[in-house]
Amino acid sequence: GEDVEQSLFLSVREGDSSVINCTYTDSSSTYLYWYKQEPGAGLQLLTYIFSNMDMKQDQRLTVLLNKKDKHLSLRIADTQTGDSAIYFCAEDTGGFKTIFGAGTRLFVKA
Amino acid sequence: EADIYQTPRYLVIGTGKKITLECSQTMGHDKMYWYQQDPGMELHLIHYSYGVNSTEKGDLSSESTVSRIRTEHFPLTLESARPSHTSQYLCASSGWGREGSPLHFGNGTRLTVT
Repeated sequence: GEDVEQSLFLSVREGDSSVINCTYTDSSSTYLYWYKQEPGAGLQLLTYIFSNMDMKQDQRLTVLLNKKDKHLSLRIADTQTGDSAIYFCAEDTGGFKTIFGAGTRLFVKA
Repeated sequence: EADIYQTPRYLVIGTGKKITLECSQTMGHDKMYWYQQDPGMELHLIHYSYGVNSTEKGDLSSESTVSRIRTEHFPLTLESARPSHTSQYLCASSGWGREGSPLHFGNGTRLTVT
């Protein structure tokens, strides 16, 4: 069935790069998304990638997509304490349904 | 900048009370959703709507009900709250654009049933 998997925790030092990984199962997904959730708030769209792209860069964020392996990653360069949050990977399978991963909690140590 | 609004932000009520969680969006989106979020972070879709007068149950069985009488409004009601309903409830909407159909979320309602 449809599933999105991601590791639950990641800890990095301030100034280092963070890489959050995600695998998905639906090969027909057209868009893949990364959302960020800060404490006490809802999810906020961080970035997206269309399924015919391999890479997308947006300032400190780089998204890599390996469609063959159904693997998506989010790299945050020069990670700051303000980047501490939960990051959700999600795939749009068409229609109404967006499948979310369980979220990766990123801890940034000063 | 919040284009989707949820009230109340926090609610503590006793068992057996009827409650309505409000959700409104100003983006003219047709699709709206309610998610329940575990303390462990995972999101569970409990209701969704394609548009006015359309409501469907999601993947997670829920004793709540929803209505969609106006495009911008998608309230969720619990007829008789129980401690097992204690959770964070997130409302979302989506339209269509160059980004596909990403969800726009409200800040959530944290419900505690005593």
